[in-house]
Amino acid sequence: QKEVEQNSGPLSVPEGAIASLNCTYSDRVSQSFFWYRQYSGKSPELIMSIYSNGDKEDGRFTAQLNKASQYVSLLIRDSQPSDSATYLCAVNKGGYNKLIFGAGTRLAVHP
Amino acid sequence: GAVVSQHPSRVICKSGTSVKIECRSLDFQATTMFWYRQFPKQSLMLMATSNEGSKATYEQGVEKDKFLINHASLTLSTLTVTSAHPEDSSFYICSAPVQGSGELFFGEGSRLTVL
Repeated sequence: QKEVEQNSGPLSVPEGAIASLNCTYSDRVSQSFFWYRQYSGKSPELIMSIYSNGDKEDGRFTAQLNKASQYVSLLIRDSQPSDSATYLCAVNKGGYNKLIFGAGTRLAVHP
Repeated sequence: GAVVSQHPSRVICKSGTSVKIECRSLDFQATTMFWYRQFPKQSLMLMATSNEGSKATYEQGVEKDKFLINHASLTLSTLTVTSAHPEDSSFYICSAPVQGSGELFFGEGSRLTVL
């Protein structure tokens, strides 16, 4: 079992719709959770971080964490073609900043 | 936000040569930096943790004699791919944590092509 699992996609949504990206992790001691966006040929950029159960909103992005079920999700409202990228879920198992990444979900937003 | 700079962004070398990649934290100090490798259409795989003033910690399966890491100062870590082979061709990305935030900031990445 992989430590961090994501559906590879592609997830295709129309412009203006909500994109929902999911991630599960295997280690219950995981403490911090991150969503990164990566455009083709570029390095990842941080979108959201979440540390406690519940929802965290930042603009069009909402991260959701459920530690009991060991899943974290990212919702993108009013999806734009510029949101088309690979979204990487990352988990930090302790206070050491060492992140383990999922394989990423490729999102395609079509006009 | 925090800035991590990586150089070179692209490098092409002949098989058997060595290549050095630099990673700098520009506006903060980083006692720890992380080196990742990413093959096409795959995720980031952690190679090693670079520690200022001490030896790097390598992940299982990563050859420490092939991937030499030196963390010379609080703002600079280098990765040297020694005796490079075509299978070492990949996208190498460094990252540094900003103390207190728990977040990692990534360099721009270095695309290595070994002929």
